[in-house]
Amino acid sequence: QVQLVESGGGLVKPGGSLRLSCAASGFTFSDYYMSWIRQAPGKGPEWISYISSSGITIYYADSVRGRFIISRDNAKNALYLQMNILRADDTAVYYCARDRVEGSFDSWGQGTLVTVSS
Amino acid sequence: EIVLTQSPGTLSLSPGERATLSCRASQSDGSSSLAWYQQKPGQAPRLLIFDTSNRATGIPDRFSGSGSGTDCTLTISRLEPEDFAVYYCQHYDNSQAYTFGQGTKLEIK
Repeated sequence: QVQLVESGGGLVKPGGSLRLSCAASGFTFSDYYMSWIRQAPGKGPEWISYISSSGITIYYADSVRGRFIISRDNAKNALYLQMNILRADDTAVYYCARDRVEGSFDSWGQGTLVTVSS
Repeated sequence: EIVLTQSPGTLSLSPGERATLSCRASQSDGSSSLAWYQQKPGQAPRLLIFDTSNRATGIPDRFSGSGSGTDCTLTISRLEPEDFAVYYCQHYDNSQAYTFGQGTKLEIK
């Protein structure tokens, strides 16, 4: 079965950096677009970035463009999110998710919590 | 960017009743790509409906989606105890932007 497992979250000071990873299994990872989606405490989900199956096409939400970098390693079945210049409003649970072709997300990881605080 | 507004914010119903949740988009871009998710405390969202009216794999047929243009609806025909959760709609538009609604909390009356 499809499994997505995030790691790398934690407590970081404002202005700091963190790298999240997502390990994928149970499907042909290299066939799928993948996204990072976050959810602040008590809020709805917020899509922040996606990457095409080959890694060539990448998009970011305005809220993270210029600070976050998405990447993938199809040989390792892994998705990454490099987060730089972190701010307090980046505090959230970060999920990796598998994209369906029409734009929904059919599989999600369990999430990893990122807390930005001094 | 399209803004999704869900209503009501909270819906109080009893098991066995019918639930109707609404999602309104601020504008129409001609895309039919609207999805619905269910989220329970401490869990990731789960895809229920994609492309407005298609049930995702393994979703019971008491869940149905409908709508067009700027207004879409998620209907749960007969509520089961496990259906009480928060529900989100989500839209994908042609400018590669994914938008979620603010959610409807379905609680036991």
